[in-house]
Amino acid sequence: DQQVKQNSPSLSVQEGRISILNCDYTNSMFDYFLWYKKYPAEGPTFLISISSIKDKNEDGRFTVFLNKSAKHLSLHIVPSQPGDSAVYFCAASESNSNSGYALNFGKGTSLLVTP
Amino acid sequence: DSGVTQTPKHLITATGQRVTLRCSPRSGDLSVYWYQQSLDQGLQFLIQYYNGEERAKGNILERFSAQQFPDLHSELNLSSLELGDSALYFCASSVNPGTYEQYFGPGTRLTVT
Repeated sequence: DQQVKQNSPSLSVQEGRISILNCDYTNSMFDYFLWYKKYPAEGPTFLISISSIKDKNEDGRFTVFLNKSAKHLSLHIVPSQPGDSAVYFCAASESNSNSGYALNFGKGTSLLVTP
Repeated sequence: DSGVTQTPKHLITATGQRVTLRCSPRSGDLSVYWYQQSLDQGLQFLIQYYNGEERAKGNILERFSAQQFPDLHSELNLSSLELGDSALYFCASSVNPGTYEQYFGPGTRLTVT
């Protein structure tokens, strides 16, 4: 049962424009959310995260928004650059000792930024 | 470079065989996680170890087992392999179980023929 869903398998954006990647989750116990970026033949790389007590977190060109009532989060990249082309994974976790803080991942969205 | 190393990078084996995947966490990280990424799935959590002890289990098959050694490296053992076990296996590490951010290795691609 997929608790974290990324409904857009791919997204194409022009360089300089905004990229918006979306993620939905079903488990209301999730209290921490992360975005990972993955290039081919490499492992996922941590990008940005947000706690459920916040609704926005910014780091340079990357901003994550959390809407708890809608169980939805999004990653905004502004401005998008060709080097941002990668697969982006949304992940969620709950602060439950039984889960060991394991991450529940979506299936990813492949972002292509064109010059 | 995340600092997490995994060996081997690629592994091709036959059904029914047994393989061992190895992971060395980042220096100072005590917690190790194993994930499986199949062709049509996202990353699925398998199992977590912290300082040598099993901490949490996810969707790990009974044919699979893992351990973490005193030097903190971890091994994932996969036995009685089936075609469906073909996947990318990632190891990740974090400082402790209470740290959400995990750092991933490059993965081991397992192909079962």
